Amino acid sequence: DTAVSQTPKYLVTQMGNDKSIKCEQNLGHDTMYWYKQDSKKFLKIMFSYNNKELIINETVPNRFSPKSPDKAHLNLHINSLELGDSAVYFCASSQGSGNYGYTFGSGTRLTVV
Amino acid sequence: DQQVKQNSPSLSVQEGRISILNCDYTNSMFDYFLWYKKYPAEGPTFLISISSIKDKNEDGRFTVFLNKSAKHLSLHIVPSQPGDSAVYFCAASARTGANNLFFGTGTRLTVIP
Repeated sequence: DTAVSQTPKYLVTQMGNDKSIKCEQNLGHDTMYWYKQDSKKFLKIMFSYNNKELIINETVPNRFSPKSPDKAHLNLHINSLELGDSAVYFCASSQGSGNYGYTFGSGTRLTVV
Repeated sequence: DQQVKQNSPSLSVQEGRISILNCDYTNSMFDYFLWYKKYPAEGPTFLISISSIKDKNEDGRFTVFLNKSAKHLSLHIVPSQPGDSAVYFCAASARTGANNLFFGTGTRLTVIP
C-alpha cells in the first residue's frame, strides 16, 4: 500500500492547457506539501497545508492553485501551462512539524511542449 | 537564494570504503537537519536527521556530523555498498515558525563493486 501516491506519474501537455496533479496520503499525517524539482535538480517548496489550511505559499505564480478537500488529499491545479513549468512535482506529507522526516510521493514529471 | 548547498554533484567510491557527503547552509536559524536518499523515478526517502543540540547522530552504517560554527554537516556511510548508489539530498529547517524544509541540489553517489 503506497503511503503517498501521486497521479499521474507522467504528464505531457501543450502550452496554454490546464492540468491537475492529484496526491493522496494514507499515513494519517496532518500536513501535506508540494515541491518542485527543476532542471537544476533543486527541490523547492511550493505549498504547505496543515489540516486543509494553507500555511506556506512560496513565491509561486497564481496559475498554480492547491486544493485540499480533506487532510488526506492535496491536489495541484495549474492553469495556462508554460514551457517553464516543465519539472518534476513531488507531493509529501508529515505529522506536525515534520521533524521526523517527510514522506514523499514518487513524483509527477510534467513536460510542457 | 539557495540556503542549503551541496557543492559536489557526484561522488564515486569503492565498495567497502567510506563515503563522505558534504552540505553547507547559510541560515543561522536552521536547527534541524536531515538527509534524504533518492533512487531514480522514486521520491526522496528519509535517511537520518540531527538536531542542532547534537554534533553527531549514528544509525547503523550512517552517521551525520554537524559543525554549527562552520554551518556544515556531513553524512558518512561506512562501509559503502552498491545498494547505496543514489542521489543524497541534504535538508534543513527552522523548527520555530513555518515548518519548511530547504533542500540542497543533491549529490549522486556511485558505489563501485
